[in-house]
Amino acid sequence: GQNIDQPTEMTATEGAIVQINCTYQTSGFNGLFWYQQHAGEAPTFLSYNVLDGLEEKGRFSSFLSRSKGYSYLLLKELQMKDSASYLCAGHAGNNRKLIWGLGTSLAVNP
Amino acid sequence: DAGITQSPRHKVTETGTPVTLRCHQTENHRYMYWYRQDPGHGLRLIHYSYGVKDTDKGEVSDGYSVSRSKTEDFLLTLESATSSQTSVYFCAIRSESNQPQHFGDGTRLSIL
Repeated sequence: GQNIDQPTEMTATEGAIVQINCTYQTSGFNGLFWYQQHAGEAPTFLSYNVLDGLEEKGRFSSFLSRSKGYSYLLLKELQMKDSASYLCAGHAGNNRKLIWGLGTSLAVNP
Repeated sequence: DAGITQSPRHKVTETGTPVTLRCHQTENHRYMYWYRQDPGHGLRLIHYSYGVKDTDKGEVSDGYSVSRSKTEDFLLTLESATSSQTSVYFCAIRSESNQPQHFGDGTRLSIL
């Protein structure tokens, strides 16, 4: 089957580091995407991993292990504005469409 | 910002009426998608298009139809709206398979 799992909710403190995990089972794997979605807004693209390892973009980093079917998004120096839902998505079958996780709602507290 | 415009942004209508949502892009991207997003269900694909006049069903296509007569426009039609179709609808576009999808601002649709 094809499935993407991520935790439903997480909380963290301003200034801290948080890791949001994503496990996946997809056919025709061709990389993993991370998106951020603030309440009432559209998802926005954060990162794309197709090779194993860590990709760093400022305060956000994303990691992929294809052999383990596992990815994580690492957020450093958390800010209040990072409170949002974080969505993990992977290609399905013919690479024309994505399978989406349900999202992890992150609450950053002062 | 990716050039994607969804219209209308908000709509309230009655059960049984037809509804058409429009997605317009200025990026000349090949792929276009319609999703709905509901609490507890995440993003669910309704239909998608991989070229002019080329469309395919997603996981929740019942009660919806689409048309793409030109590259820039992808229309989603609810033939006879039902209350279960009350949702937020997002359009997304993508250039090639290894590129990310970029989303429009969404349409909030309420069926009374």
